[in-house]
Parts: sequence; structure tokens; C-alpha cells
Amino acid sequence: GQNIDQPTEMTATEGAIVQINCTYQTSGFNGLFWYQQHAGEAPTFLSYNVLDGLEEKGRFSSFLSRSKGYSYLLLKELQMKDSASYLCAVRGFSGGYNKLIFGAGTRLAVHP
Amino acid sequence: NAGVMQNPRHLVRRRGQEARLRCSPMKGHSHVYWYRQLPEEGLKFMVYLQKENIIDESGMPKERFSAEFPKEGPSILRIQQVVRGDSAAYFCASSQEGADYEQYFGPGTRLTVT
Repeated sequence: GQNIDQPTEMTATEGAIVQINCTYQTSGFNGLFWYQQHAGEAPTFLSYNVLDGLEEKGRFSSFLSRSKGYSYLLLKELQMKDSASYLCAVRGFSGGYNKLIFGAGTRLAVHP
Repeated sequence: NAGVMQNPRHLVRRRGQEARLRCSPMKGHSHVYWYRQLPEEGLKFMVYLQKENIIDESGMPKERFSAEFPKEGPSILRIQQVVRGDSAAYFCASSQEGADYEQYFGPGTRLTVT
């Protein structure tokens, strides 16, 4: 089966660093995505990891360990606008094509 | 260069009515994916379509739900005889042939069943 776990809620202070973890179990792993979703809006792409290691993109970094079924999203220099849900999604290959399986999301609240 | 478009953005239906949700993919995209998001939950895959073909509908409820992506026009997600439990946000995403890892999401349709 396929399963993705991430914390339900997190809080952090403006200017700080926060790490959002995601663990997964899936067959035919073909990559892991992080999306940001503000309330009432569409998910927007943040990162895509297919190989082990850290991918850095500005204030956001994403890490993947395929052997551990583990990823994290690191947000630095937090801003109030970073308050949103962060969705971990695994791309799994089955039945001849890939499918995205989403976790329930982590709601991050950034306060002054 | 328009992105993925969905309409209506908000839809209110009474129990027993039909709901039709439309999705126009990005220009040049021939693959469409529909997801449902219940309040406080993540996105759940419903159906994957190419032009005139349903590739995977394993996430669709067996009854009352159907989807199509005709040769011309938008993709349609149709919910017959809606019930309160169908109230959710329905997101459509599109991608190019062979590039499912680059799905672009539309703004969603929020369906409320009263």
C-alpha cells in the first residue's frame, strides 16, 4: 500500500527556520514533491526530489533519503506570508504510469 | 499564456441535483488529472484522462461520478444526485505528454451541497 505521514500543524516565529518532515511508504517510487497551498487557493510547486540529498532553492530547501522513506522541507528566514499548508506528495509508478499521492498536509502558522 | 482554468470557482447545489465542473488545461497539455480535497485534508486523486481516453479512474467513486475529456473542449467532472458528503474543493491539474511530474494546478471549484 501507499502511506504518507506529515505533522498536522506547526508554528514558528518570523525570521526563524522550520523543518517539516514527511515519511512515506510506496511501491515504484519515482520522486517526491513539496507543494505550498494557501487557504482557498491551488497548490503551487515548491520542489521535486528524485535522488538522495539536498536541493536548495532560495529560502526553501528539500531533502530526500530514499532508503529511509524520508524527506523534509526546510524554510529559512520565515516571513508571515509563509503561513500556509505544505503538502508532501510521492510520485509512484504502478499500472504502467505514474500517480501522485498526497499527504494530508502540514499547516504552518508564522507569528511575529 | 493562460494557466489551467476551472469554472465555476464556486458552485452551490441542493441534494439530488447534478454538478458539472469544467477544466481547461494549459495550452499544449493533453493530460488532465482531477483531485478532491475535503476540509483540512490533502488532495486525493480521482481520475487521470488523456484526450478522449480515461487512463485511470481508480480514485473515483463507482456511482454518481463520471469524467470525460473530449477531443474539443474542456474536461468535465460530473457528479449526479449530489449528497452533502460531496462538498469539497475539486482541483484539476494538467501536464504535457510524458511529463506527469510537471502538473500545473487550476484554482479549484468549491462545491457546496445544501
